[in-house]
Amino acid sequence: DAGVIQSPRHEVTEMGQEVTLRCKPISGHNSLFWYRQTMMRGLELLIYFNNNVPIDDSGMPEDRFSAKMPNASFSTLKIQPSEPRDSAVYFCASSFQYGYGYTFGSGTRLTVV
Amino acid sequence: QKEVEQNSGPLSVPEGAIASLNCTYSDRGSQSFFWYRQYSGKSPELIMSIYSNGDKEDGRFTAQLNKASQYVSLLIRDSQPSDSATYLCAVNRAGNTGKLIFGQGTTLQVKP
Repeated sequence: DAGVIQSPRHEVTEMGQEVTLRCKPISGHNSLFWYRQTMMRGLELLIYFNNNVPIDDSGMPEDRFSAKMPNASFSTLKIQPSEPRDSAVYFCASSFQYGYGYTFGSGTRLTVV
Repeated sequence: QKEVEQNSGPLSVPEGAIASLNCTYSDRGSQSFFWYRQYSGKSPELIMSIYSNGDKEDGRFTAQLNKASQYVSLLIRDSQPSDSATYLCAVNRAGNTGKLIFGQGTTLQVKP
C-alpha cells in the first residue's frame, strides 16, 4: 500500500494567489482529515469527511478555505486568496473507521510570501 | 483549558533510561487514545493506541490509561537516540466521531 499521498510536497506562492492541495487516501479508508501544523498552534483539524461527506468543518479558519471530496480516492483543500499567515504544513490523514488511529500523508509545506 | 495538554519539554534522558511522557485531557467521555511520534520535518506516525484503563505494552513502549484521572502516559524503556522526536498525544472526542484532538507534543531528547 502506498499510504496517504499528498501533492505537492512544497508550495511557494505569492499573497493573493489561489493554492490547491491534493490528497489520495489509503484505499478502503472511509474517513479523511485535513490538518494544519504550525509551531505556535500545533496540529489543528480543519475539516473531515466520512464516506466523502463533510462532517465537521468548524476548524476551517475562514471562507478563504474550502475542501472537497468528489470520490473516495481524492480530496482537495483550496485557499483563495492565500495570505502569509496561511504558511504552515498541511497534512491529510485517513482512517479505516471511527475509533481507529489515522495514517498521515507526508504533508505539504506551504509558504505564502 | 486546552482539550489535550502535554508538557512541551524538552525531556532529556540518557540512553538506556526510561522516558515517561504524560498527557491529560478534558473531555471525560473520550473513548480512544493514541500516541504518535513525529521526527523533525516528517509526518506523525502512530505508535500506540489504548482504549481501556490499565497498561498496554508493545515492545519497548507501554501506554497507560487512567480515565478517572483523565490521564494517559507513554513509557519508553531502554531509550535510544533514535527515539529522539516529538511525541503527540491524541484523544478521540466523546460521541465516537472519529475526530482526534492532538496535544502540542513533548520533545524527547535521548543523549548517547
